[in-house]
Amino acid sequence: VQLVQSGAEVKKPGSSLNVSCKASGGSLSRDTLNWVRQAPGQGLEWMGRISPKFGITKYAQKFQGRVTITADTSTSTAYMELSSLRSEDTAVYYCATEGLLETLDVWGQGTTVTVS
Amino acid sequence: EVVLTQSPGTLSLSPGERATLSCRASQSVSSTYLAWYQQKPGQAPRLLIYGASSRATGIPDRFSGSGSGTDFTLTISRLEPEDFAVYYCQQYDSALTFGGGTKVEIK
Repeated sequence: VQLVQSGAEVKKPGSSLNVSCKASGGSLSRDTLNWVRQAPGQGLEWMGRISPKFGITKYAQKFQGRVTITADTSTSTAYMELSSLRSEDTAVYYCATEGLLETLDVWGQGTTVTVS
Repeated sequence: EVVLTQSPGTLSLSPGERATLSCRASQSVSSTYLAWYQQKPGQAPRLLIYGASSRATGIPDRFSGSGSGTDFTLTISRLEPEDFAVYYCQQYDSALTFGGGTKVEIK
């Protein structure tokens, strides 16, 4: 499976972001799909995940109420929506499938988001 | 939430030297759910180690992981030029968290 993410975005503060992640060469329904972000020059930050087959989601406490992760198994595409954007949300956003023992084994190429 | 603290922040070494990276957890973590990743500039992270000590597919045997409880270590036995990068530990209990990273740079 390869994960292909949507392109770079520039957003205004207070607006919402929607990033897509399409699985090619395989089905998304089998794997749990996570979202991780990385602010410029900073480390990795887990945002949440979805089990596409069952539609079950889990979010990091920091993003509860502001992030929504969904998946469309018919198109093998997952989506991450982040609302009420602020400058601190400027980051590269990655999707990644969950492999053995809660690891992230296949990653998308990343989507650069600038909030300004 | 489990906080992972990595040290040192930066490790300056020469090719061929041994690198020892530390990851300390704020509370005991199951070694089953402790992983290490490598990230190079402009690239997504790559899984190196899972279950604290098992190498992911295609990872050279110069990379090894060890530890239990709150203290975990990633060792690179002999640094190759392509190993200079940032390394992150990651754990999962009720949520997934990452350490702040250790940069291994060329001395």
